[in-house]
Amino acid sequence: EVQLLESGGGLIQPGGSLRLSCAASGFTFSDFAMSWVRQAPGKGLEWVSRVISSGGSTYYTDSVKGRFTISRDNSKNTLYLQMNSLRAEDTAVYYCAQDRCWGGSNCYNNNWGQGTLVTVSS
Amino acid sequence: DIQMTQSPSTLSASVGDRVTITCRASQSISSWLAWYQQKPGKAPNLLIFKASTLESGVPSRFSGSGSGTEFTLTISSLQPDDFATYYCQQYNGVSRLTFGGGTKVEIK
Repeated sequence: EVQLLESGGGLIQPGGSLRLSCAASGFTFSDFAMSWVRQAPGKGLEWVSRVISSGGSTYYTDSVKGRFTISRDNSKNTLYLQMNSLRAEDTAVYYCAQDRCWGGSNCYNNNWGQGTLVTVSS
Repeated sequence: DIQMTQSPSTLSASVGDRVTITCRASQSISSWLAWYQQKPGKAPNLLIFKASTLESGVPSRFSGSGSGTEFTLTISSLQPDDFATYYCQQYNGVSRLTFGGGTKVEIK
């Protein structure tokens, strides 16, 4: 059974940094691209970032480019999201998701973790 | 970026009703569309991928159709467990995914 367990969320002041982790189990982690998706309180879903299976390529939504960095450690079956220069609008539940890809270039979010809440406030 | 427009944003229905949710893409995405169900306080759950392929374990009352820019999710006979929020997602290309705004299905 696929399990994804996020951690690292919490209350942080504007301008601060936070690193989220996602521990994966139940599948061969190094075979799958992975994503972060967030959901602001009472709002819809927003895809944030993706990293391919090897870690060699990363992708970001425009609003986090230059501030967030996605990475992975395939030896530890763990996905990360380093978040710098945090803003109030980054407040959200952050989900990690296992991606399922077709032809390597069309990937949707297959399995999801339960999320970790990040609150950016002074 | 490809924009996804879902309608309606809220839908009131009764158990046993046939329910249809529409999702429109701002440009053609072929069949690269997924549908998710989300219940309050829970993570989204994949229902359908590639516009019309039912994910394993999802009840057959759920179905998806469409291609290009117009897509629909249909629940043939609404069950109590189906009251939730539904999202479409386009995944045309590796570098950008976008979700629709969501459709909340409420009890009438």
